[in-house]
Amino acid sequence: KAGVTQTPRYLIKTRGQQVTLSCSPISGHRSVSWYQQTPGQGLQFLFEYFSETQRNKGNFPGRFSGRQFSNSRSEMNVSTLELGDSALYLCASSLAGRENTGELFFGEGSRLTVL
Amino acid sequence: QKEVEQNSGPLSVPEGAIASLNCTYSDRGSQSFFWYRQYSGKSPELIMFIYSNGDKEDGRFTAQLNKASQYVSLLIRDSQPSDSATYLCAVPNQGGKLIFGQGTELSVKP
Repeated sequence: KAGVTQTPRYLIKTRGQQVTLSCSPISGHRSVSWYQQTPGQGLQFLFEYFSETQRNKGNFPGRFSGRQFSNSRSEMNVSTLELGDSALYLCASSLAGRENTGELFFGEGSRLTVL
Repeated sequence: QKEVEQNSGPLSVPEGAIASLNCTYSDRGSQSFFWYRQYSGKSPELIMFIYSNGDKEDGRFTAQLNKASQYVSLLIRDSQPSDSATYLCAVPNQGGKLIFGQGTELSVKP
């Protein structure tokens, strides 16, 4: 069974640009969560989607957005990039039904560098 | 107070020793607790979860939960150099978000 696939793996952008990251969950998984990981802040929850609906949202500014498609694939977008957005963005999928069970399967991440 | 707190370490133990990793959480209503392991340059992977007070054993790993003290720990017996990684404690909050601690870096010296 294929794991969680994230693209692109690495990208470099400049301040003010926008970026879109993609995540394909494990087949059959309907929940997709996004996390930002930095050395100083650790893993910070961005949002979770289930059946194309945003079920939970973290404390990030509106520049961070996401969506989920009918095939459970998800994208996240960051607009007007800032230097502080440089991080590893991790996508995780789960079988979660009505509630997030906490049993997440992570992709390898997309490492974003903002210059 | 952070929702999930861990000592960042690094925690260094000799090969064959017991490594003890600790985590405290703020939400008394939390019902489930997860331990993830993250090797350097890799993504986190789930290694243990526990729902009930007491101990849960899986091979060399034991998770311990004390809800009254809001404390969960992970013991690694007979530590191996391959156990060297960052261990992340995670707890779903009331809103359903899975909140991670900062992680404890473990180094097992041969």
